[in-house]
Amino acid sequence: QKEVEQNSGPLSVPEGAIASLNCTYSDRGSQSFFWYRQYSGKSPELIMSIYSNGDKEDGRFTAQLNKASQYVSLLIRDSQPSDSATYLCAVRGSGAGSYQLTFGKGTKLSVIP
Amino acid sequence: GAVVSQHPSWVICKSGTSVKIECRSLDFQATTMFWYRQFPKQSLMLMATSNEGSKATYEQGVEKDKFLINHASLTLSTLTVTSAHPEDSSFYICSAGGDRVTETQYFGPGTRLLVL
Repeated sequence: QKEVEQNSGPLSVPEGAIASLNCTYSDRGSQSFFWYRQYSGKSPELIMSIYSNGDKEDGRFTAQLNKASQYVSLLIRDSQPSDSATYLCAVRGSGAGSYQLTFGKGTKLSVIP
Repeated sequence: GAVVSQHPSWVICKSGTSVKIECRSLDFQATTMFWYRQFPKQSLMLMATSNEGSKATYEQGVEKDKFLINHASLTLSTLTVTSAHPEDSSFYICSAGGDRVTETQYFGPGTRLLVL
């Protein structure tokens, strides 16, 4: 049973602070990792993807991957109220030929002005 | 970026009727599309995986005769909720996998179904 675990939150941070979102996964053979943002009442939108150990930066977002620890995180610098949403961690498992993702239940982030 | 559309965005129907939801990949070909359902304040639940030209693969507990999926072309998949009941009211979201290298899924905007 492939599992992706996230702290459900809510995680509250003040505006301008760094928000740190964490995710662990059970399938050691997983190769692809994604962070999606979902605003209330909307569908998920892709923020970041990461495939190799280390950090990947895109604007205010940094994804971090540690395959040995089966851990992936998302840092949001200079958090804005517009970042308030639920963040979904998604993992593509081992095995070729499938796009199927396993999603965590999401962490709700609230950025306080 | 890859764009996925869904139609309709909202549908209200009477109990017992059937509802068809379309999912289209607008600027790429999607050999695989996924259908999810999300109830309020809950996570995404994968219902089925739709492969172009073949039968859909349904997740455990999802009735294939109730949720009919057709993936007739590389840009279109449809989900038909047959004989809808109030408990089928939910947010239905499709996603499409179009990039063989990154294996990224792109989500449609979702369809909100309310069965009266």
